[in-house]
Amino acid sequence: EPEVTQTPSHQVTQMGQEVILRCVPISNHLYFYWYRQILGQKVEFLVSFYNNEISEKSEIFDDQFSVERPDGSNFTLKIRSTKLEDSAMYFCASSEIGVETQYFGPGTRLLVL
Amino acid sequence: QQQVKQSPQSLIVQKGGISIINCAYENTAFDYFPWYQQFPGKGPALLIAIRPDVSEKKEGRFTISFNKSAKQFSLHIMDSQPGDSATYFCAAKDTSGRGSQGNLIFGKGTKLSVKP
Repeated sequence: EPEVTQTPSHQVTQMGQEVILRCVPISNHLYFYWYRQILGQKVEFLVSFYNNEISEKSEIFDDQFSVERPDGSNFTLKIRSTKLEDSAMYFCASSEIGVETQYFGPGTRLLVL
Repeated sequence: QQQVKQSPQSLIVQKGGISIINCAYENTAFDYFPWYQQFPGKGPALLIAIRPDVSEKKEGRFTISFNKSAKQFSLHIMDSQPGDSATYFCAAKDTSGRGSQGNLIFGKGTKLSVKP
């Protein structure tokens, strides 16, 4: 069964550093998402992406964040200057156009020191 | 209006019992209500989902009951098993934004423990 994959599984970084989280969505999906989950809390929507542009973004997704589809398979989330409060599990998800079901990847656990 | 309220926060059920998790919402722009199951260290996995034009949906041991007028929906797990022990999130798809596909608003989660 096709899966969303994410790399790395864990990332530790120093405050102020840039990080790039990578995702490979399911191959025939065209809608991509990033969510985050701070430890012990609910999953929160960050951004959705379609047709090489941001479709929707939340208040959390400020100027420190950016997304990109650099090639035909990868979808990335960049945090330009990490803060302590960016420490969370980041999930990538994808869906087919016109289908509500979103399939989540296993997540990247980001720890900012 | 953007919230999905979920209860209880944690639930302990004996093997073979019924687990019931409840969610409530306020935004009438929500039009799709999935339940996700999450095991420790894993991403949320879709369990079952319902649209508001249906009052109940059953898949195996899992049933969603939906009350549109009360803006409430619940997950029932029949014959609960230790392997069902996980965190369960209800969610709602918000279509009020400019994105055509909408995005998911999650509840805070319920940690279910099924005792053997």
